[in-house]
Amino acid sequence: DTAVSQTPKYLVTQMGNDKSIKCEQNLGHDTMYWYKQDSKKFLKIMFSYNNKELIINETVPNRFSPKSPDKAHLNLHINSLELGDSAVYFCASSHGLFIMDGYTFGSGTRLTVV
Amino acid sequence: SQQGEEDPQALSIQEGENATMNCSYKTSINNLQWYRQNSGRGLVHLILIRSNEREKHSGRLRVTLDTSKKSSSLLITASRAADTASYFCATARTGTASKLTFGTGTRLQVTL
Repeated sequence: DTAVSQTPKYLVTQMGNDKSIKCEQNLGHDTMYWYKQDSKKFLKIMFSYNNKELIINETVPNRFSPKSPDKAHLNLHINSLELGDSAVYFCASSHGLFIMDGYTFGSGTRLTVV
Repeated sequence: SQQGEEDPQALSIQEGENATMNCSYKTSINNLQWYRQNSGRGLVHLILIRSNEREKHSGRLRVTLDTSKKSSSLLITASRAADTASYFCATARTGTASKLTFGTGTRLQVTL
């Protein structure tokens, strides 16, 4: 049973389109995150949510809108996709607000904008 | 700005040898963690060391932390081909909620 699952695994789309990535965790964790990994493997946090409440919004363009309908789900919607949005997006979760243990990551969504 | 810098960027060793990766960071931390990422996969948490700890072991992994030098090292002993992956350090800063900041990563290649 996958702990943190993301869908889709691959996403190829044209510039200007709108797309969503879904994430679900079955670990009972309170906090969820979106990270972006660029072509140089650099991982940067985008958002974090704790019990459906937005905690971190890390200077991400407002074309990116996270939504957390409940604490087990954190989705990412991207409007007007640009070439520079091409990357691997990872969802992760952890027990609580303050980082006292490791994150559990999903397997990633590889987004390619053409 | 980026919190962690890892050294070396890439490391190639033979099976059975030890691999050492280093991580330096810039601010006060609550804890430092190491993750492994196999090609095309998500990150897997390996080990966490708290700011008041100096050394920690888990199986073939040994992590050290020197808060005075703001640096950490990950030693993998008796490496195996299956250890081939990218390794990242990540820091949880003091007083900052919900923000694990990752380093640049070390690509480890273990050959037979």
